[in-house]
Amino acid sequence: DTGVSQDPRHKITKRGQNVTFRCDPISEHNRLYWYRQTLGQGPEFLTYFQNEAQLEKSRLLSDRFSAERPKGSFSTLEIQRTEQGDSAMYLCASQRGQGASGNTIYFGEGSWLTVV
Amino acid sequence: EDQVTQSPEALRLQEGESSSLNCSYTVSGLRGLFWYRQDPGKGPEFLFTLYSAGEEKEKERLKATLTKKESFLHITAPKPEDSATYLCAVNNDMRFGAGTRLTVKP
Repeated sequence: DTGVSQDPRHKITKRGQNVTFRCDPISEHNRLYWYRQTLGQGPEFLTYFQNEAQLEKSRLLSDRFSAERPKGSFSTLEIQRTEQGDSAMYLCASQRGQGASGNTIYFGEGSWLTVV
Repeated sequence: EDQVTQSPEALRLQEGESSSLNCSYTVSGLRGLFWYRQDPGKGPEFLFTLYSAGEEKEKERLKATLTKKESFLHITAPKPEDSATYLCAVNNDMRFGAGTRLTVKP
């Protein structure tokens, strides 16, 4: 068990550029979550996958954001035409289990995005 | 819609001064209440899961309790290394509170 892995850990980009973050969940974890966190706030839910199916998207996820989990293993989160308001830490988390579950969700170390 | 409110926003303690952090929640059917610790610039680190009212869990100087409306994270004789933001979250969509930023002074 190597934990949830995120890459890159830090990204500085110019406004208008596209960025992509990758998340490798804990092996055999069916569920994968993406969150966004800004300073002084708790993580805000963006979306989650059950295996390769994207089951829920938050209203925070504008049409510039897209997430994929093509083979039910790793996931990518792409932000197109970045804006300064997108500057935040993007957290990935994974969870074992199907359906509604109280199983523990484990987080990665996050990917920091700074849009200049 | 599930709601989670944490208080206080910030708490400053002297080393050895015990206290409690509060997490109030409103959910339709609690499946789990989770406590996490988060250090600056890092992802949340899992501490406890509580599933039903009356349940308690302990880990070193931390003890988490749960009622039907709230959870408490009790910190006994804290040390400076306990300084962090403590987050709680509920249910399957892991709706988080804003956290309590704890500072323990030596």
